[in-house]
Amino acid sequence: ELKVEQNPLFLSMQEGKNYTIYCNYSTTSDRLYWYRQDPGKSLESLFVLLSNGAVKQEGRLMASLDTKARLSTLHITAAVHDLSATYFCAVGLNYGGATNKLIFGTGTLLAVQP
Amino acid sequence: GAGVSQTPSNKVTEKGKYVELRCDPISGHTALYWYRQSLGQGPEFLIYFQGTGAADDSGLPNDRFFAVRPEGSVSTLKIQRTERGDSAVYLCASSLNGNTEAFFGQGTRLTVV
Repeated sequence: ELKVEQNPLFLSMQEGKNYTIYCNYSTTSDRLYWYRQDPGKSLESLFVLLSNGAVKQEGRLMASLDTKARLSTLHITAAVHDLSATYFCAVGLNYGGATNKLIFGTGTLLAVQP
Repeated sequence: GAGVSQTPSNKVTEKGKYVELRCDPISGHTALYWYRQSLGQGPEFLIYFQGTGAADDSGLPNDRFFAVRPEGSVSTLKIQRTERGDSAVYLCASSLNGNTEAFFGQGTRLTVV
């Protein structure tokens, strides 16, 4: 059974600090997605990583993928309060060239304290 | 519309009743997904459509759950004989062709009392 594990599950950090969220998965995949979810809201797509060594950056967030280690990271630089949310990674399983399903991790609840 | 639209946004039903949840994907998106999210959990895959056909329905929990997409656009998730354990947020997502990022709707919060 495919498992997608995130850690930490909860992260309280101060504004201005840096931190990394880790996403480990148990099967071969070259598609890794990061989403943000605010309370009571739906999922907002942050990054799509489609190859080993892929790195993408948007503002204070940077995501990377190591398919050999089956690991993706989401790095937060100089956190601000607006980044407070739950972050999910999801592994894409594809057959015939299309992503049939996303298997989500448990999520990391990020709370940035002023 | 510009995004994935789901209706209703909230649905309260009695145990044993039948419910239908609707999803309008982004225009032109051939891939459509249904997920279920319980409180404090990540979304759980239910079913994937490519065009009109269900390409992968391995996530449907039992035969009370069924989904259709007859014209390759709007999809309906149908739940028969609802149980309290079916209470969750049901999310729909669409993708241009299954190879690009999936965009999620706002979800339908289903409460079975």
